[in-house]
Amino acid sequence: QSALTQPASVSGSPGQSITIFCTGISSDVGDYNYVSWYQQHPGKAPKLIIYDVDDRPSGVSSRFSGSKSADTASLTISGLQAEDEADYYCSSYRVNNYVFGTGTKVTV
Amino acid sequence: EVQLVESGGGVVRPGGSLRLSCVASGFTFEDYGMSWVRQGPGKGLEWVSGIQWNAGNRGYADSVRGRFTISRDNAKSSLYLEMKSLRVEDTALYYCARATSGYYDSSEMDVWGQGTTVSVSS
Repeated sequence: QSALTQPASVSGSPGQSITIFCTGISSDVGDYNYVSWYQQHPGKAPKLIIYDVDDRPSGVSSRFSGSKSADTASLTISGLQAEDEADYYCSSYRVNNYVFGTGTKVTV
Repeated sequence: EVQLVESGGGVVRPGGSLRLSCVASGFTFEDYGMSWVRQGPGKGLEWVSGIQWNAGNRGYADSVRGRFTISRDNAKSSLYLEMKSLRVEDTALYYCARATSGYYDSSEMDVWGQGTTVSVSS
């Protein structure tokens, strides 16, 4: 089971917007709208920030948004803040399985 | 408070076995699919195994299939991972995570434990 592909790192200045891409294959990202994104700060458990491609759980900042085109999903962080510095992982459904992306370190 | 607490991690030799446990509280455990997710030292997240709310469907990553077995006891609000034939590459922090529906594979994970550490070393 190969992981979804993400860039290793993305950086931006406070106030800027950044986008993280997550590339899968037709049998996961491409075929289903079950794409999620997780934020993980060092030493902490992952936190769900986007689900079903573009929905946000209650309490998650509207600065986080998701989208998808064909086999590629994306997470955009607008108005970048210092607290957004963390690792971000995409994930997707595969039949009888679940797969994470390789992870992206965001530096502010 | 919704909570997941893992236990059972430890140091084991290659070829050895361990049984991880995860106790849930603050929600109706039997309504939700559950998964185990691991993270090796300095590495990314890897989904390990998942189980449907009624244990009717279970899934495993290729890397652990045939060696690990996931199970649950809804009466005890508990999730388990039986790990056998452990390898050095199984060394990781193992998280227990709740799916947002009864199905582990088509649902995101909204509640996570703090993890239990498994170290496989000779």
